[in-house]
Amino acid sequence: DSGVTQTPKHLITATGQRVTLRCSPRSGDLSVYWYQQSLDQGLQFLIHYYNGEERAKGNILERFSAQQFPDLHSELNLSSLELGDSALYFCASRAGTGGTDTQYFGPGTRLTVL
Amino acid sequence: EDQVTQSPEALRLQEGESSSLNCSYTVSGLRGLFWYRQDPGKGPEFLFTLYSAGEEKEKERLKATLTKKESFLHITAPKPEDSATYLCAVQGPRSGSARQLTFGSGTQLTVLP
Repeated sequence: DSGVTQTPKHLITATGQRVTLRCSPRSGDLSVYWYQQSLDQGLQFLIHYYNGEERAKGNILERFSAQQFPDLHSELNLSSLELGDSALYFCASRAGTGGTDTQYFGPGTRLTVL
Repeated sequence: EDQVTQSPEALRLQEGESSSLNCSYTVSGLRGLFWYRQDPGKGPEFLFTLYSAGEEKEKERLKATLTKKESFLHITAPKPEDSATYLCAVQGPRSGSARQLTFGSGTQLTVLP
């Protein structure tokens, strides 16, 4: 158990809908990362938050957004969903400034868009 | 752009048959190279971090090594429970303070009893 939690575990929805994925980092970790894993693309970095502030964006679509709250949990919002958005979504946490570089991953949310 | 290539894509071993997985990388100024293990439908589980060429780390039947161009994950006398996908990732200076990871596509290891 990495100490990172994600909900829900599974999500099935229809095209055009909007969903929210939630992540709670390990106790004390300030950095949260979101990654998408699909069969053809592998694990791709989406976005990084540090202590409530967005720090870096990767291959994140404009239809996707995220935020990190004062209690350090993070949410990834996916809107106008398309079939191609079906994937596993992982969050990872890292201690942050002064901590190790190691990212610890949560169990993921499997999103299926029908 | 940072790039990571893992080979082979899939590997089938008999229990006890040692082998190595390869991770070749292209990154300008490596900050760190990471190995993770991923079971089907689960999140990647951290194994090792390597920071400089010549560094080696071991954990049970696994040993990770690093050169300036590639890393190897050596598996000695594997057991069926070692079956998983092994992911390699790099962290380069382009990631800045964010320190995000660039992953390879993984090696799917199957160890037969």
